[in-house]
Amino acid sequence: AQKITQTQPGMFVQEKEAVTLDCTYDTSDQSYGLFWYKQPSSGEMIFLIYQGSYDEQNATEGRYSLNFQKARKSANLVISASQLGDSAMYFCAMDISGGSYIPTFGRGTSLIVHP
Amino acid sequence: DGGITQSPKYLFRKEGQNVTLSCEQNLNHDAMYWYRQDPGQGLRLIYYSQIVNDFQKGDIAEGYSVSREKKESFPLTVTSAQKNPTAFYLCASSIANNQPQHFGDGTRLSIL
Repeated sequence: AQKITQTQPGMFVQEKEAVTLDCTYDTSDQSYGLFWYKQPSSGEMIFLIYQGSYDEQNATEGRYSLNFQKARKSANLVISASQLGDSAMYFCAMDISGGSYIPTFGRGTSLIVHP
Repeated sequence: DGGITQSPKYLFRKEGQNVTLSCEQNLNHDAMYWYRQDPGQGLRLIYYSQIVNDFQKGDIAEGYSVSREKKESFPLTVTSAQKNPTAFYLCASSIANNQPQHFGDGTRLSIL
């Protein structure tokens, strides 16, 4: 069974600074995807970034980048130039390619951006 | 605009009552999912469906039922067998598995 671990319940960052949110995963499958989602206080889940297990380059989407270290089974999210609107819960998730599967989410990290 | 619509936003259930949460998508996605989120927790998968007329149990399917009669619709029924139904329920869809999921705004279910 796959597992996602987010060890930081809460993080604080100053506006305009960069922050790294940690995510480690565990799976015996070779083909999988790693995702980060943002959940503001309003409750909706917003997809941020995706990394495939065979992608050699780290994924980037605007101010978001995913620091993918396959040997260490880590997929940390880096947010550059933090904004007040980045304050939210952030969830790391994993999915397996093909066949029966159950998408797995971590418990989340609460990020607060200070002015 | 394409998206996922969940209704109602808030729902109250009486003891012994079944309630149904609606989820409709116009994204032409094959896969749909139902998740439960408890305070301070991540998402736990209740049921998922990869194609019409087919669905599979997730981690916490007991006390819940679903149907997938149309590609656009994936309603979730919380039965009286679910003894602790108070939670935030999120519906999602994706083009296929291992693809980003698009989420609805959620339904908050409480016990009266």
